[in-house]
Amino acid sequence: DAGVIQSPRHEVTEMGQEVTLRCKPISGHDYLFWYRQTMMRGLELLIYFNNNVPIDDSGMPEDRFSAKMPNASFSTLKIQPSEPRDSAVYFCASTGLRGSPLHFGNGTRLTVT
Amino acid sequence: AQTVTQSQPEMSVQEAETVTLSCTYDTSESNYYLFWYKQPPSRQMILVIRQEAYKQQNATENRFSVNFQKAAKSFSLKISDSQLGDTAMYFCAFLNNAGNMLTFGGGTRLMVKP
Repeated sequence: DAGVIQSPRHEVTEMGQEVTLRCKPISGHDYLFWYRQTMMRGLELLIYFNNNVPIDDSGMPEDRFSAKMPNASFSTLKIQPSEPRDSAVYFCASTGLRGSPLHFGNGTRLTVT
Repeated sequence: AQTVTQSQPEMSVQEAETVTLSCTYDTSESNYYLFWYKQPPSRQMILVIRQEAYKQQNATENRFSVNFQKAAKSFSLKISDSQLGDTAMYFCAFLNNAGNMLTFGGGTRLMVKP
């Protein structure tokens, strides 16, 4: 099993540009989560999907953030327009059976200048 | 809503010694799951150990063990025979009974000194 795959690993962009982060969950996992990690706020849940349907997006900071899961093997997190305060590491994670630990991707480090 | 608190922002330990990282949580649920994750400088999130709340026996994984005190809502991690490769951020995490909400503590930065 290749694990959760995220791309890109690093992203540097200018303020105002659109940013798209990508995630491929582990095959068979029906829950997918997007987390953001910053020094100030630690690890925050942004949104999670169950069977490709967004269930809770209360952690999405603003309308500039959107997430989609068009199929069971792919999800995107988009920021448009990006701002310097969006700079963070964004993690995707997936899990299957209830009570099983979340498996994390290696994260995308986003820098907005 | 659940909260997870790690009261030790930083800790250090000599190689081969034992160290204990603290974690407390707050919840109204009777069944849930607790985890410790390790995040080395590579930023990868690595599962260290898992505990189910309805199991009284403390989980162990090689040099890693937990002290789970359900009534006190405490979940500490003990690392025995510390190794240089244990240097990392350690996060305590709470997973609700439905299995769809994982809440993290603020983390403890552990440094193992040679």
